[in-house]
Amino acid sequence: GAGVSQTPSNKVTEKGKYVELRCDPISGHTALYWYRQSLGQGPEFLIYFQGTGAADDSGLPNDRFFAVRPEGSVSTLKIQRTERGDSAVYLCASSLMQGSVHGYTFGSGTRLTVV
Amino acid sequence: AQTVTQSQPEMSVQEAETVTLSCTYDTSESDYYLFWYKQPPSRQMILVIRQEAYKQQNATENRFSVNFQKAAKSFSLKISDSQLGDAAMYFCAYALGTSGSRLTFGEGTQLTVNP
Repeated sequence: GAGVSQTPSNKVTEKGKYVELRCDPISGHTALYWYRQSLGQGPEFLIYFQGTGAADDSGLPNDRFFAVRPEGSVSTLKIQRTERGDSAVYLCASSLMQGSVHGYTFGSGTRLTVV
Repeated sequence: AQTVTQSQPEMSVQEAETVTLSCTYDTSESDYYLFWYKQPPSRQMILVIRQEAYKQQNATENRFSVNFQKAAKSFSLKISDSQLGDAAMYFCAYALGTSGSRLTFGEGTQLTVNP
């Protein structure tokens, strides 16, 4: 596609529920990143995929968070047993192999609200 | 670990005037890139300008320019002839010059442009 697409745009869920957030990167971009942006803060890194594999998942806060990219394009961020502290905007970005050189393209994010 | 600090939570400028946003960073690496991103209410991160650390010349993009002081680890953004459309949250960010490098963001500066 022309840009990075994230769905849904907004998601409200009840505490304890399971949610999935989807990211559809730019076609041909092998690198995909997930970030979490809490209110009034800068985005924080969660996980990086190169192709199908998670090359760096050091930013995932705990084992309730998991992400997949089975075919090397679309990625899904999965959050189990959601907590109110998980409320944030979840941003996805994609790039050619080296984002710092080729540039990162961001989606508009999913605003997750846990009530 | 790399850190990025923006010490100005809010800034304001009159339309057509010039404003400078500050950013400092900490790293022990020599190969890295610095970025300024703009985030309007649409939430999408938009690249404003990028600087390669190995380049001594300051980057410029139309009305936007940076003052890159490598020894001082300072990277400020100057916006000339400010326009109403420049109003947004601005984030300074850092990335290593390696494949798959993630962005590390500062806390952001909210810029208001007064007519």
